[in-house]
Amino acid sequence: NAGVTQTPKFQVLKTGQSMTLQCAQDMNHEYMSWYRQDPGMGLRLIHYSVGAGITDQGEVPNGYNVSRSTTEDFPLRLLSAAPSQTSVYFCASSYGGARTEAFFGQGTRLTVV
Amino acid sequence: AQSVTQPDIHITVSEGASLELRCNYSYGATPYLFWYVQSPGQGLQLLLKYFSGDTLVQGIKGFEAEFKRSQSSFNLRKPSVHWSDAAEYFCAVGGYSTLTFGKGTMLLVSP
Repeated sequence: NAGVTQTPKFQVLKTGQSMTLQCAQDMNHEYMSWYRQDPGMGLRLIHYSVGAGITDQGEVPNGYNVSRSTTEDFPLRLLSAAPSQTSVYFCASSYGGARTEAFFGQGTRLTVV
Repeated sequence: AQSVTQPDIHITVSEGASLELRCNYSYGATPYLFWYVQSPGQGLQLLLKYFSGDTLVQGIKGFEAEFKRSQSSFNLRKPSVHWSDAAEYFCAVGGYSTLTFGKGTMLLVSP
């Protein structure tokens, strides 16, 4: 049972490049979310989705785009990477929204140079 | 707006000693509260959760937490810490549509 799968695990980008962080879950969860984790800052919500076709912004959405075309997938796009986006990114899913257990992927460590 | 405060950035505990990690929350309605643990290089794993009912909740790995509405607190406890408990611990509050985390407490276990 895979749970939440994130790819890639590590990535180095140059400033201005674009990329997509992939997230897939096989638990048929409606709610999915993206967080970034920075030292001393905890996890901060970037975007979330309550179901296919529905997305909304979290605490730190600037510089990131998301879409949700299927229940399983919730990719995070960086349109023009900046050094401030160097972080560890986590995708999570849950069956009942923000009030039920969140299942996390293993994370993507992104460095922007 | 909902928020979580974890006042201790680092805590060092001797192996076998008891542990208490503090968490204070701010939320306008009945809170949905969680404790997650993160081992180095890993994602987060749920330790326990509180929605309603008994204010003392039991979790995995011998952890428990007590909800105190009057103090807006949800402190995590363990009677005897093992070296494998060394990790970062996050308290979180679930609102209507978003889950908000505290900044975390790093637990170090000394021999």
